[in-house]
Amino acid sequence: GESVGLHLPTLSVQEGDNSIINCAYSNSASDYFIWYKQESGKGPQFIIDIRSNMDKRQGQRVTVLLNKTVKHLSLQIAATQPGDSAVYFCAENQYSGAGSYQLTFGKGTKLSVIP
Amino acid sequence: KAGVTQTPRYLIKTRGQQVTLSCSPISGHRSVSWYQQTPGQGLQFLFEYFSETQRNKGNFPGRFSGRQFSNSRSEMNVSTLELGDSALYLCASSWGGTSQETQYFGPGTRLLVL
Repeated sequence: GESVGLHLPTLSVQEGDNSIINCAYSNSASDYFIWYKQESGKGPQFIIDIRSNMDKRQGQRVTVLLNKTVKHLSLQIAATQPGDSAVYFCAENQYSGAGSYQLTFGKGTKLSVIP
Repeated sequence: KAGVTQTPRYLIKTRGQQVTLSCSPISGHRSVSWYQQTPGQGLQFLFEYFSETQRNKGNFPGRFSGRQFSNSRSEMNVSTLELGDSALYLCASSWGGTSQETQYFGPGTRLLVL
C-alpha cells in the first residue's frame, strides 16, 4: 500500500478562513516532502516543500508543518481564496536505489472554497 | 524558463492498440519521471530516466516502457492497450542529482481507451 495518506478526502471552507490539510507518512527515513496543488485538467503544481531537518516552513499564505515524532505533515493556507479550490497532495520523496528518487503520493484532499 | 511540456494533451485509442506519449523537461533538467493518475489508484510512479538510462521502475506490466533521448526528452509507450490504461499520464522533471529536488510536472496527457 501507499506510505503516504491523507486523513480527509474533502474539505469545505469559507472564503477568508484558514484551511488545514493533513497528511500521514510511514517511512521515517524519508527526508523530503512536497505539497502539490492540482486544479481540474492540469498537472500537479508545486506549492511548498520541507526537509526533515525542519519543523516548519512558510511561503506566501502557506505554511507546512512537519512532526517527525508522529510522522505527520500539514499544509495551512491562510485567508483561503476561491482560487485555492483544488485537490492537494502531499508527496514523500523516497530513495529507490541507483541514485533515483520517486514520489509517493497520498490520495489527495479536495478543497472547496465557499464564497 | 519554459515548463514541462507534454504532447499530445488528449488521445483516444481502442483496445489492443499502442500509444506513444512525449515529454519535454525543463531546460537543464536531466531526470524525467512518469506517473499514472486514475481516480481509483491516485498517482502512481511508472519509471524514471536519467541520462538516457532507466534508473527506476514502478510496479507496472512490461507493456509500459519508455526511453530518454540525449536532449533529455522522454517518451513512454504502452502496447496492447487495455481499458484500464485509461488515465492521465504525467511527466515530471528535475535536475536528477540529489535527494531533495523538487519534481515539476507537465499538464499531462489524458488517454482514453475504448
